[in-house]
Amino acid sequence: EVQLVQSGAEVKKPGESLKISCKGSGYSFTTYWIAWVRQMPGKGLEWMGIIYPGDSDTRYSPSFQGQVTISADKSISTAYLQWSSLKASDTAVYYCARRSTRSWTDLDYWGQGTQVTVSS
Amino acid sequence: QSALTQPASVSGSPGQSITISCTGTSSDVGTYNLVSWYQQHPGNAPKFMIYEVTKRPSGVSNRFSGSKSGNTASLTISGLQAEDEADYYCCSYTGSSTYVVFGGGTKLTVL
Repeated sequence: EVQLVQSGAEVKKPGESLKISCKGSGYSFTTYWIAWVRQMPGKGLEWMGIIYPGDSDTRYSPSFQGQVTISADKSISTAYLQWSSLKASDTAVYYCARRSTRSWTDLDYWGQGTQVTVSS
Repeated sequence: QSALTQPASVSGSPGQSITISCTGTSSDVGTYNLVSWYQQHPGNAPKFMIYEVTKRPSGVSNRFSGSKSGNTASLTISGLQAEDEADYYCCSYTGSSTYVVFGGGTKLTVL
């Protein structure tokens, strides 16, 4: 069974750093891209970027380039999303999702989401 | 790249059919047959419902169907059921450095 299990909710202060994780199981982690998607409170989905764990090839949406870093450790089948200096506007639920082999828009399995709250 | 345009809300009675539109541009929806749809119930992760405009992943009810005309893709749900009440998002490939863009989402209410 394919599963993506994300790390737990985080409460941080502005300016702090954070790294959240997404662990894949039940499939070959290195041969499927993993995407990250943001959902701000009461808002829609936003595609942030994507990584291929096999060789760490990473692509970012222009809106998120320079704002976050996506990485992966294939030895432990885990992808990461990190911030070096959080802002209140980073408060959101962050989902990781597996991209199917077909196309960029096909996110066939999703993690349960990680709530990130940034507040002073 | 702007988000794709969806109606904020649609509604229908049980048993009826509804259609949710998703309007993009000639740079995304109009050029690529790479439109997907996602269903999201409150507090849950999105669920993959339609890919490549018209195709259903295994396990998705055949009451859900997709289509496209020009720059607008559509999701139709027939035989509406209470469990279909959710938010629906379209998603298109853009062929640019943006890669993928989502629609703003549509809240479906089953009356």
